[in-house]
Amino acid sequence: GNSVTQMEGPVTLSEEAFLTINCTYTATGYPSLFWYVQYPGEGLQLLLKATKADDKGSNKGFEATYRKETTSFHLEKGSVQVSDSAVYFCALSSLTGGGNKLTFGTGTQLKVEL
Amino acid sequence: GAVVSQHPSWVICKSGTSVKIECRSLDFQATTMFWYRQFPKQSLMLMATSNEGSKATYEQGVEKDKFLINHASLTLSTLTVTSAHPEDSSFYICSAPPPGQDEAFFGQGTRLTVV
Repeated sequence: GNSVTQMEGPVTLSEEAFLTINCTYTATGYPSLFWYVQYPGEGLQLLLKATKADDKGSNKGFEATYRKETTSFHLEKGSVQVSDSAVYFCALSSLTGGGNKLTFGTGTQLKVEL
Repeated sequence: GAVVSQHPSWVICKSGTSVKIECRSLDFQATTMFWYRQFPKQSLMLMATSNEGSKATYEQGVEKDKFLINHASLTLSTLTVTSAHPEDSSFYICSAPPPGQDEAFFGQGTRLTVV
């Protein structure tokens, strides 16, 4: 079956530091890959996505590249801000009979301090 | 992007009572919606797939008689937690993929506390 493995958190960084959150996956076929962000007390928001190998998703300074050879989709940001503090989920989609079902990683909490 | 609205955002109920949570797609029709449950500091666990006009598909280990799902229209799915107990306290989130898209949009979640 499909699975997503993320690095455990929490990750604590100083403002303007470089961020990497590792994500690897196991899946049959060619899934789409996503990063979602969850701010405290809220639902999930799509941060970025990539639908095929070598695609790079980017948004708000965050980037992730779909690496089929290493089955990875690591999230990076060159300079984090306090407002980036949240939980980040890596996910992949698999097509079901009625729609796309998402498989999530365990989430990585990011804390950015001044 | 598409909008999915979930209501209520939080609810406190007494043990033994039932609670209904609504999930609406506001600007698209959703033949399928997904219900997730999230425990503190854990990932989202898929509970069931809600299918418009037919029975929901439940994941292994989820009690279908306890978590009743109704998807009566193309824009509304409801999750009813029946005879709630304190261990049902959790964060419940729905999502819906717009037709033809692989991206799912999420509701804001419902924090259920059973006392």
